[in-house]
Amino acid sequence: QSLLTQPPSMSGAPGQRVTISCTGSSSNIGAGYGVNWYRQLPGTAPRLVIYAGTNRPSGVPDRFSGSISGTSASLAIAGLQAEDEADYYCQSFDLGLDWLFGGGTHLTVL
Amino acid sequence: EVQLVESGGGLVQPGRSLRLSCRVSGFTFGDYSVTWVRQAPGRGLEWVALSRRKDHGGTAQYAASVKGRFTISRDESKNIAYLHMNSLETADTAVYYCCRQTEFGSFYWFDSWGQGTLVSVSS
Repeated sequence: QSLLTQPPSMSGAPGQRVTISCTGSSSNIGAGYGVNWYRQLPGTAPRLVIYAGTNRPSGVPDRFSGSISGTSASLAIAGLQAEDEADYYCQSFDLGLDWLFGGGTHLTVL
Repeated sequence: EVQLVESGGGLVQPGRSLRLSCRVSGFTFGDYSVTWVRQAPGRGLEWVALSRRKDHGGTAQYAASVKGRFTISRDESKNIAYLHMNSLETADTAVYYCCRQTEFGSFYWFDSWGQGTLVSVSS
């Protein structure tokens, strides 16, 4: 069981906004280590979409945004598109367990 | 263009060893730490090992599940990172990804990933 908790699945219709949560603790997100988000399309390697909580790498559309509050973080995807259907993972550093990933959230575009 | 290309995966019996390689290009290898992340079939991502860049100590760090069995190393003259895996167990079956790690203060992230190499441990 991951120490970063994500909902196993979520869904949304095209054009909608969805928000994926990632709940941690005082030894990881709450300790100020930031949160990163990765998107994984079926059969491919993960790709970084948000780093250090709120930053988008070059090439990631501004429909993707991240936020952190206390010991939790969120990834928001606005204007949902069919290509956004994928698995999304949060990741942080933990004082006792080093680098942690959340269990992943499968996003379905209806 | 930043590229990481893994190789060396395959089918191996429990208790045996395997060495994975990660050839990098498109950036100065010595300026970055490198990490291995694995994904068991149908499961999530699991961090495995880290090789820190020299000016951050050049040390290695391991997940509890592989500590004492796996060794990460790097050959900067060849731009290759390695993961030496000993005493393999069926639970080690996974796709292994090599990643470039970027650090800024207390923030760390994996900004580039290879395509992965599959390791299957079975008798």
